[in-house]
Amino acid sequence: GAGVSQSPRYKVAKRGQDVALRCDPISGHVSLFWYQQALGQGPEFLTYFQNEAQLDKSGLPSDRFFAERPEGSVSTLKIQRTQQEDSAVYLCASSFRGTGNTIYFGEGSWLTVV
Amino acid sequence: AQSVAQPEDQVNVAEGNPLTVKCTYSVSGNPYLFWYVQYPNRGLQFLLKYITGDNLVKGSYGFEAEFNKSQTSFHLKKPSALVSDSALYFCAVRDIDYKLSFGAGTTVTVRA
Repeated sequence: GAGVSQSPRYKVAKRGQDVALRCDPISGHVSLFWYQQALGQGPEFLTYFQNEAQLDKSGLPSDRFFAERPEGSVSTLKIQRTQQEDSAVYLCASSFRGTGNTIYFGEGSWLTVV
Repeated sequence: AQSVAQPEDQVNVAEGNPLTVKCTYSVSGNPYLFWYVQYPNRGLQFLLKYITGDNLVKGSYGFEAEFNKSQTSFHLKKPSALVSDSALYFCAVRDIDYKLSFGAGTTVTVRA
């Protein structure tokens, strides 16, 4: 596709439920990022992939959060045993490799934990 | 560690007037600076970036930004604001590291 595609766009989960958020990056983009954005705040880094390798997961808030990109393309962010504080927008982004390249964002997956 | 600061939570201007959104940065090496805009219930849209070269960068929708190394600033500007420019604006920095670090955002309201 032309842009970064994320699904689902909206997800309501009951506390304790597991959720999986999908990201389909721009074709050819080696780098893939996940960010978390709380209401009214700037995005916070969660994790980074270069192809299928997860090079940085320092931003994942707890061991309930897990991300994968097994074939170097589509990525999934999984949250186990969701808590209310997990309610946020989860943004996926991708770019070509290289610091000067633009990072393009998807529309986000809006997670509400009730 | 890299960081950016957006000193104004909100900016209000009348349509047709100049718009400025401020950003200052802190990095250990050469900065790669970006501006993004976010409309309600949407993702982040790229506006412009500074990598190297001319200090005045032109971007989408008539926006431009001026890189000032001595003041460590990268302010976003538009000569004549439109009501449709009302949105949340984020400044971000990408250092020799690969990830973007964002400011807290500035809400721009353009009144008719």
